[in-house]
Amino acid sequence: GAVVSQHPSRVICKSGTSVKIECRSLDFQATTMFWYRQFPKQSLMLMATSNEGSKATYEQGVEKDKFLINHASLTLSTLTVTSAHPEDSSFYICSAALPSVVGDTQYFGPGTRLTVL
Amino acid sequence: SQQGEEDPQALSIQEGENATMNCSYKTSINNLQWYRQNSGRGLVHLILIRSNEREKHSGRLRVTLDTSKKSSSLLITASRAADTASYFCATDVDYGQNFVFGPGTRLSVLP
Repeated sequence: GAVVSQHPSRVICKSGTSVKIECRSLDFQATTMFWYRQFPKQSLMLMATSNEGSKATYEQGVEKDKFLINHASLTLSTLTVTSAHPEDSSFYICSAALPSVVGDTQYFGPGTRLTVL
Repeated sequence: SQQGEEDPQALSIQEGENATMNCSYKTSINNLQWYRQNSGRGLVHLILIRSNEREKHSGRLRVTLDTSKKSSSLLITASRAADTASYFCATDVDYGQNFVFGPGTRLSVLP
């Protein structure tokens, strides 16, 4: 089956630094990828829709200058948390959409746990 | 291997009918979540049910959880054409340490 990877799986950084998270579709091409974040004991919240070759579409309340998304190829999307602060500590998960004749199927990455000190 | 497995994979019903989707999982969980995805869009959270809860309601949605059977169901009552979407369950085993989605149920509500 389709596999989506994320790197790194865990990252700890100091406040003020930037962190890049990669999301890769390993065996299929994904024109659309999605980024989510999850706070402890909460559900996933959609942050943005990443489209290959175009600007990401951000959900209301998500700062696009804070969370930079780049979808440079059909197999890679990156999320960069700029000038990270402790409140950005969260679990970030991506998914990649695999098109089919009956519609897209989403495959999820294993997630990245970000801890900002 | 996947933690959550939705059943059925695809479901077609007439408008006004009820739609029931099931989710089974393998290990103990802290909570289980149901999401909806419209074609080409990201997931939208529907309901989160915790391991010590058995049933939750939200509008036309009813979710049950049976931890002894490691299963959950999502019931959509009086379905509408706008309910056409894919529905996913996700299990949160360790508050984000092991968060796994099933493959989803594709629901089609015919007018």
